[in-house]
Amino acid sequence: AQSVTQPDARVTVSEGASLQLRCKYSYFGTPYLFWYVQYPRQGLQLLLKYYPGDPVVQGVNGFEAEFSKSNSSFHLRKASVHWSDWAVYFCAVRVTGGYKVVFGSGTRLLVSP
Amino acid sequence: DAAVTQKPRYLIKMKGQEAEMKCIPEKGHTAVFWYQQKQSKELKFLIYFQNQQPLDQIDMVKERFSAVCPSSSLCSLGIRTCEAEDSALYLCSSRRDWGGAGTQYFGPGTRLLVL
Repeated sequence: AQSVTQPDARVTVSEGASLQLRCKYSYFGTPYLFWYVQYPRQGLQLLLKYYPGDPVVQGVNGFEAEFSKSNSSFHLRKASVHWSDWAVYFCAVRVTGGYKVVFGSGTRLLVSP
Repeated sequence: DAAVTQKPRYLIKMKGQEAEMKCIPEKGHTAVFWYQQKQSKELKFLIYFQNQQPLDQIDMVKERFSAVCPSSSLCSLGIRTCEAEDSALYLCSSRRDWGGAGTQYFGPGTRLLVL
């Protein structure tokens, strides 16, 4: 069965610094991969999604992620973090043709001044 | 952007009371999901509807919850007898189809507190 691991429960980054949030997946079949963000007291919003094709996908607000089949990873990156990026980030996977999306445990991003 | 609506945003119940929360999926979306989230941690899948029919649900939902989608524009999730462990954020999500490449959109959630 597909699963997602986000090894870092919490990441602290200085404002303006670069960011990488890690995601490792396991799946049977061809995956669809997603990154969602959850701001305080809100639901989840889609940042970006990967469908089989170009391994680097661009998302909103300067986020991008890279799919690596060899490493079973889908890490999220941003070149320069802003204080408004303070949130919880979820990686998720769905198998092609399946209905269920499996979410990771989330990574809380803290932005220091 | 798609919009999934959930009501109420906040719900306070005493232990043993019944609770009900509603979700209006995005128009045209045939797949509806409910998740439970505690303390901004991982989303726990509860139940999945396709074309208003429940196709998958966890045992906890079968035993203590009631969930229906009487129309394509309204779904509800109920807890027959609230317990303290049910305190959580309940997220409704919808997608245009069940197995395609569509994006899953989330509502803001109903935050339930059981005292």
